[in-house]
Amino acid sequence: DTEVTQTPKHLVMGMTNKKSLKCEQHMGHRAMYWYKQKAKKPPELMFVYSYEKLSINESVPSRFSPECPNSSLLNLHLHALQPEDSALYLCASSWTSGANNEQFFGPGTRLTVL
Amino acid sequence: GENVEQHPSTLSVQEGDSAVIKCTYSDSASNYFPWYKQELGKRPQLIIDIRSNVGEKKDQRIAVTLNKTAKHFSLHITETQPEDSAVYFCAASMRSSNTGKLIFGQGTTLQVKP
Repeated sequence: DTEVTQTPKHLVMGMTNKKSLKCEQHMGHRAMYWYKQKAKKPPELMFVYSYEKLSINESVPSRFSPECPNSSLLNLHLHALQPEDSALYLCASSWTSGANNEQFFGPGTRLTVL
Repeated sequence: GENVEQHPSTLSVQEGDSAVIKCTYSDSASNYFPWYKQELGKRPQLIIDIRSNVGEKKDQRIAVTLNKTAKHFSLHITETQPEDSAVYFCAASMRSSNTGKLIFGQGTTLQVKP
């Protein structure tokens, strides 16, 4: 399996809802990433997990809570989001988190916050 | 902080012509430079990358050149085809970084007219 998968593909939620985004890879990669992408903009890094430990939090608001249950799975828990959080959320993985490692992106979850 | 500037923001070429996209980076410690192609509604996909110990790399119709002294790198697409139409992002990563953090350019929307 050489792909990163993400579920759900689309998510609509209210500002009081709690939801989770899921990401999975079976390439043996030990680094996993969450990005946020607005229309016609580049991906913005949110979090990096290296060997299942959080190594980077790009000053993301606490209403976004990442979790890495094991080396193949990455979750993003969402709570009390704002309409401006509507975006495409991309997961990515790489062999390790060092430089020079190709990052493989998942198809993304299109999130709409009402 | 590190910054990557990408030009042009939009590029329209006739099928069969060449396309060139240029990026400039600010941090001289950067040593890995990937290029991603993102078709509408799809995930970013790596199309080519180059490391700082190499000046040029080719893969069929695609080539990337790197000028470390000037701190810029360019993507060259020859014999463009309509399926090359997409948004292209350049990025840079620092050797000293064990975080895998990529700094992306703002993107170039390439349109290839049949």
